Amino acid sequence: DIVLTQTPLSSPVTLGQPASISCRSSQSLGHTDENTYLSWLQQRPGQPPRLLIYKVSSRFSGVPDRFSGSGAGTDFTLKISRVEAEDVGVYYCMQVTQFPYTFGQGTKLEIQ
Amino acid sequence: EVQLVESGGGLMQPGGSLRLSCAASGFIVSCCYMIWVRRAPGRGLEWVSVIYSGDTTDYADSVRGRFTISRDNSKNTLYLQMNSLRAEDTAVYYCAGSSFVGAFDLWGQGTLVTVSS
Repeated sequence: DIVLTQTPLSSPVTLGQPASISCRSSQSLGHTDENTYLSWLQQRPGQPPRLLIYKVSSRFSGVPDRFSGSGAGTDFTLKISRVEAEDVGVYYCMQVTQFPYTFGQGTKLEIQ
Repeated sequence: EVQLVESGGGLMQPGGSLRLSCAASGFIVSCCYMIWVRRAPGRGLEWVSVIYSGDTTDYADSVRGRFTISRDNSKNTLYLQMNSLRAEDTAVYYCAGSSFVGAFDLWGQGTLVTVSS
C-alpha cells in the first residue's frame, strides 16, 4: 500500500501569513496514463471534506487562488499564500493512483 | 443542484449489520467512480471502498469480507452494506463521487455509525 506522510501534523499560523504542508509518498504517484493523481482536501470543523487541488496542481472550481499545489514523483506541497480565518480545519493529501486509495494523516491548521 | 445525501447510520451492537445509502441528485452514480470514506473519532480520513466501471469493486483490508458496496442505477443511489460490525467501525461515513477522472469532487454530508454494546 502507498503510505502518505504529511508534515507538519499541526500548523499554528498568523492571519495573513503563508502556510505550507508537505505530503511525501512511499512510492511514485505517477500513473501509467502519465498523470499523477494526488489531491488535497480541506475539512472544516463539522463539515465534509472538500476538494481543493487535484492532479498535484490543478485548482478545483471555486477554490480561492491563495491555494496552490506543487510537486512530482513522491514529494508534494500545498501552499496557502495568505491564511484567512475560514481556512481553519484539517488538510489531507489523498492519492488515487493505485488501490487501495490512501490519505495522509491530516494537518490541523490553526490560527495563533 | 448537485448533491449526495447519506442515510442509514445509527447505533448498532457489535456483530450487527447496517446498510448505508447515498442518494444522488444532479449526478449519475452509475457513470463514475464512487467511494465510501470514514473518519473515526479523533482520527483522520480512511478510504473504505470503491465501485467503478462495470461495477468493479475494491475494499480496504479492514473491511474486506464484511462490507459490500453496490449501486442501484434505477434509484441513482450508492449503498454500503456493513456486516459483522466492530467497535472500530465507529465513524462518520461519507460517500463521494468523481465527476472527472482522478479526483473526488462531490461529497455527502456524512452519516454517523456507532458500534457499541
